[in-house]
Amino acid sequence: NAGVTQTPKFQVLKTGQSMTLQCAQDMNHEYMSWYRQDPGMGLRLIHYSVGAGITDQGEVPNGYNVSRSTTEDFPLRLLSAAPSQTSVYFCASSYSLAYSPLHFGNGTRLTVT
Amino acid sequence: GENVEQHPSTLSVQEGDSAVIKCTYSDSASNYFPWYKQELGKRPQLIIDIRSNVGEKKDQRIAVTLNKTAKHFSLHITETQPEDSAVYFCAANDQYGNKLVFGAGTILRVKS
Repeated sequence: NAGVTQTPKFQVLKTGQSMTLQCAQDMNHEYMSWYRQDPGMGLRLIHYSVGAGITDQGEVPNGYNVSRSTTEDFPLRLLSAAPSQTSVYFCASSYSLAYSPLHFGNGTRLTVT
Repeated sequence: GENVEQHPSTLSVQEGDSAVIKCTYSDSASNYFPWYKQELGKRPQLIIDIRSNVGEKKDQRIAVTLNKTAKHFSLHITETQPEDSAVYFCAANDQYGNKLVFGAGTILRVKS
């Protein structure tokens, strides 16, 4: 039982490049989400999904896309990377946000130059 | 939308003393308030949570209190130990229960 797995752990991009951050969970959780963590700003919600085929925006969705074709996977796509997207990205899942806690992955540290 | 404010941003205590971190939230419909601990370079991990039908919850040296009228909740750590040093985040859900909004975090340093 691996929990929430994020890849890659580190990534460096040039401005304008695109990439996908991968997130997979093996706990059969319906709820999945992406957060970014910046110094002094806590964890800010980018996008979330309450089940396969359903996604919605969080607090800071601009510049990011998501899709949820399966219960297990919730990739985050950066369309055209910008230096402001330099951050640590966490994927998190829950059986149901109303009844059970969020389980976080180990994070992806992204640097955009 | 929901807004969560957390204070203080940094807190230094002597080993054995108590530590208190306070959070306020804006959405009166919020009903779930978890606390996460994040050690340096690690992922956030849940340490305790409370729901709106309960005023206080305790787990060994950690307790959380909730005042729904004033819209604030607090984390209390007693008999602090060096391994309690970490960043602590409070959070609250939004009125629809689909988003968890976090405070900015408190850096707790326990000096031995």
